[in-house]
Amino acid sequence: AQSVTQLDSQVPVFEEAPVELRCNYSSSVSVYLFWYVQYPNQGLQLLLKYLSGSTLVKGINGFEAEFNKSQTSFHLRKPSVHISDTAEYFCAVSDYGGSQGNLIFGKGTKLSVKP
Amino acid sequence: DGGITQSPKYLFRKEGQNVTLSCEQNLNHDAMYWYRQDPGQGLRLIYYSQIVNDFQKGDIAEGYSVSREKKESFPLTVTSAQKNPTAFYLCASSGRGGFQETQYFGPGTRLLVL
Repeated sequence: AQSVTQLDSQVPVFEEAPVELRCNYSSSVSVYLFWYVQYPNQGLQLLLKYLSGSTLVKGINGFEAEFNKSQTSFHLRKPSVHISDTAEYFCAVSDYGGSQGNLIFGKGTKLSVKP
Repeated sequence: DGGITQSPKYLFRKEGQNVTLSCEQNLNHDAMYWYRQDPGQGLRLIYYSQIVNDFQKGDIAEGYSVSREKKESFPLTVTSAQKNPTAFYLCASSGRGGFQETQYFGPGTRLLVL
């Protein structure tokens, strides 16, 4: 069965520092990859997604992610974080070559940006 | 404004009671989904519906039921068979392209057991 692993449950970082949130997936078939952000007590909002083409994907709020098929990874990065980036971030994957095609979410990474 | 609304924001359930969570969307999306979110567990799919009058079980459907009588509405009932219903419930919708489509989420309903 497909799975998504977010390697860090919490990431504390100082304002204006760079950050990387790690995501690995297990699927051996072709996949679509997503990063969503959730602010406290709210729903999720799409940050970016990879469907095909360039492996470097740019999203909203200055975030970007790189798809690495050989390492089955889709790490999220931002060169300089703001206090307002404090939120929980979810990596998700769906496989369009598989039989079910469900969107599978990781357990989330809480990003805490300190002044 | 187009979007997804969920009501109520908080819901309290008594022992043995069925409760229904509302989800409405005006995005003209074909597909709708219900997820359950527990702390540290991420989101888990309860049910999804790709078209009106059709829906499929997700990974944790036991103790839940849904209906899809209208395109814009996808209510979720938490039955008394769900022994651990305390969680944050999120509804989402997407276009007809399937799971490669971006899912748009509502603000959620927090269900608590009295």
